[in-house]
Amino acid sequence: DAGITQSPRHKVTETGTPVTLRCHQTENHRYMYWYRQDPGHGLRLIHYSYGVKDTDKGEVSDGYSVSRSKTEDFLLTLESATSSQTSVYFCAISELAGDHEQYFGPGTRLTVT
Amino acid sequence: GQSLEQPSEVTAVEGAIVQINCTYQTSGFYGLSWYQQHDGGAPTFLSYNALDGLEETGRFSSFLSRSDSYGYLLLQELQMKDSASYFCAVRDRRAAAGNKLTFGGGTRVLVKP
Repeated sequence: DAGITQSPRHKVTETGTPVTLRCHQTENHRYMYWYRQDPGHGLRLIHYSYGVKDTDKGEVSDGYSVSRSKTEDFLLTLESATSSQTSVYFCAISELAGDHEQYFGPGTRLTVT
Repeated sequence: GQSLEQPSEVTAVEGAIVQINCTYQTSGFYGLSWYQQHDGGAPTFLSYNALDGLEETGRFSSFLSRSDSYGYLLLQELQMKDSASYFCAVRDRRAAAGNKLTFGGGTRVLVKP
């Protein structure tokens, strides 16, 4: 299994509070991604990174920011959490440009009350 | 933009064959991927088709017709452990960097004894 961990695995927070989710990889892969998964919507890309300090938006980036200061870590921040951001968040990595195969972390279940 | 359509749920008995169809609309196309996700787990890569035709990997096969913007995943000799959700995904040809995948909503396969 690819070495990807996510922390925390579960979190309950209140509306309006900031939240940071962490993704850590030991594979030294260049590309990292954050997805959210909601019933009926499959996996939707929030942000992705193609190198240290190189990030770009996905299809559902509003309300989220990311940072990647090291190859192994990719952080997802909700500046002011809303109930609509209650979801399961997955981090993924891939090695090569043009690589269709992504490896997913175990996920973080976030509940915003 | 891109969109993918797949059935929401399929039920079958052990030993049967299940075909999960995926139709896509995309402004650029590299290939079609399939992922499996068990309840509470992370998505895992199953197969990839870049060219027309059938790719076989054990009990699972995946087919692509680029002219029809259509593909399917075939699960043969169904086993109870195949109960999971299956997602098709396409890679965004327009992406300047990275390997952005757009996922379908997923098909939940329920295998009964």
